[in-house]
Amino acid sequence: AQKITQTQPGMFVQEKEAVTLDCTYDTSDQSYGLFWYKQPSSGEMIFLIYQGSYDEQNATEGRYSLNFQKARKSANLVISASQLGDSAMYFCAMREYSSGNTPLVFGKGTRLSVIA
Amino acid sequence: DVKVTQSSRYLVKRTGEKVFLECVQDMDHENMFWYRQDPGLGLRLIYFSYDVKMKEKGDIPEGYSVSREKKERFSLILESASTNQTSMYLCASSLQGAGVSSYEQYFGPGTRLTVT
Repeated sequence: AQKITQTQPGMFVQEKEAVTLDCTYDTSDQSYGLFWYKQPSSGEMIFLIYQGSYDEQNATEGRYSLNFQKARKSANLVISASQLGDSAMYFCAMREYSSGNTPLVFGKGTRLSVIA
Repeated sequence: DVKVTQSSRYLVKRTGEKVFLECVQDMDHENMFWYRQDPGLGLRLIYFSYDVKMKEKGDIPEGYSVSREKKERFSLILESASTNQTSMYLCASSLQGAGVSSYEQYFGPGTRLTVT
């Protein structure tokens, strides 16, 4: 079963508007972490934001915020005031902590296109 | 700054060739990972290593092997390359957290391998 589901293969947003990229996850662990990465056309993976399962507040990093709804097992990325440079692939990922060292498991990604 | 480097950005090999993809990190990270990225499939874990000479299979290890003789270097080996191994290969590294850890994975620039 897929652990990370990103249901939006592609999204368009007008410059300066906010956009939400969806991510749902599946785990039976109580302790886990959720990560978002950005991959521009150049190919490098850029870490954006992290949310721990025990964090009570939603994570924020500049224009990025994570809308964490634990009961619904969702961890949506919100980008405010979109810029042309936000056009990229975005990946949601999860690490489960009960088994110790575990790698990140990634979703299939969402391609965001920002329109001028 | 953490740096993860990969030996080649682009590589073209023939079917049946033995292929070595090298990855080096300069931040003394314990964990290292190899992923492959294909359109519509996201990042899939091939192998990872949490210590020198240690390796763990990921989700798609078939057709691949790895070597970690030194802490900073993690090699991915395609024993006999096949056309279905044409893909983008991403190496990553991270610190080894104890328990809940927000340590992100740092990625290299990727190697785009074409097998003809």
